[in-house]
Order: sequence, then C-alpha cells, then structure tokens
Amino acid sequence: DSGVTQTPKHLITATGQRVTLRCSPRSGDLSVYWYQQSLDQGLQFLIQYYNGEERAKGNILERFSAQQFPDLHSELNLSSLELGDSALYFCASSPTGVEGYTFGSGTRLTVV
Amino acid sequence: QKEVEQDPGPLSVPEGAIVSLNCTYSNSAFQYFMWYRQYSRKGPELLMYTYSSGNKEDGRFTAQVDKSSKYISLFIRDSQPSDSATYLCASRGDSGAGSYQLTFGKGTKLSVIP
Repeated sequence: DSGVTQTPKHLITATGQRVTLRCSPRSGDLSVYWYQQSLDQGLQFLIQYYNGEERAKGNILERFSAQQFPDLHSELNLSSLELGDSALYFCASSPTGVEGYTFGSGTRLTVV
Repeated sequence: QKEVEQDPGPLSVPEGAIVSLNCTYSNSAFQYFMWYRQYSRKGPELLMYTYSSGNKEDGRFTAQVDKSSKYISLFIRDSQPSDSATYLCASRGDSGAGSYQLTFGKGTKLSVIP
C-alpha cells in the first residue's frame, strides 16, 4: 500500500455522463498530482495542486476539472464523457515533489 | 516528437541477466531524471532519482544520465522474475513556483524468464 488512496478502483459509465474520482494523499503530503494513462499516450500530466491551490496545468481538457479541499484530499471531475476518455487515472502525492512522488493504484474508467 | 522517447519492447531476458533500459529526451531544460516501475494493474513506483548527469546505484539497480547526448539508462543486475514489470523513465526541468510535473516515456515492458 503506497499510502495514496484512490476511489473508486473501477468505474463504468455511459457517454455524456459526469463522474468524480477521489484521491486521499499520504499523510503530510501537501501536493497532489493527477495523471491520465492510456495505451497510446502513456502517462500524461493533467494538473497539480499544492495545499489547496492550483500550481500547474497540463493537457487537461476543459471538460475536466479538479480541486483540492482543506483536508488535502482531491477530486477530479470528468464531464460530457467520450469513449476516448476511457483510461487509467492516477493520483500522486508528495511533500514537495522535488524527488518524485508516490502514486496511488489508480481508477480505471471505462466509457461505453 | 515526444519529449521523452522509450522503446516499448517487450524485452525478454533469462533470470540472472543484466538488463539495460534506455530513454532519450529532447528538452535541454530537463535536469531531474527518474525511473518508475509499474506492475500490471498497479500504480507506478519510484525506483531511482538522479539530478543532472552521472550515475546512481541502489542495490541491483544503476541509473545513468548523459546530458550531452540526452540519454537516460537503467541497468538491472542479476535480474529476477519479480523484476518483470513495465519500466517508465521520467524527466522534468527546474520548476518555478513549485510545479513538479513529470514528462514520462511510454514505458518498456520487461519479462524475466526463470
């Protein structure tokens, strides 16, 4: 167990729907990162939060949004889902991020 | 061209062999280099971290960075079946404002045959 908890582990939903993925970082870690992993694109950075504030944004679609709450857990919201959004979504956390970070086990999203 | 390129393999070796995994990168600003290991249906796990050029050793694993050629390597000595996984290289530059996003290669799938 890495200490980063992601729920749910699996999610199957229909096109056009909206889902929320949840991440609880390791105790004491202030930074949370979201990544998307697909077979053709590999791991792609979506967004980073640090202590509740957005720090960096990557290739995140406008249909996707995220936030980090005062208790440091984070949620990734995906709306108007398309078949191409099917992927593994990983959350990672770190105290600073300087020397890499710890990933959770991911949420496997299937859009049908 | 992706910023970090990695041969996807698959790579199959006999137990006990020395494994060499490699990546190239194109962004001259990259200063930090990492290797992650990912088992099937699991999240990536940080194996090695190096800053700038040079070697770093940890047990059976050695990470090597050559910034002049923009080449990143991971060597695994005395490979074991438990090393069978996908290995991902990752890089980032010096980040301002506390942003530490990593750019990953697509990963090399390694199988160590008993």
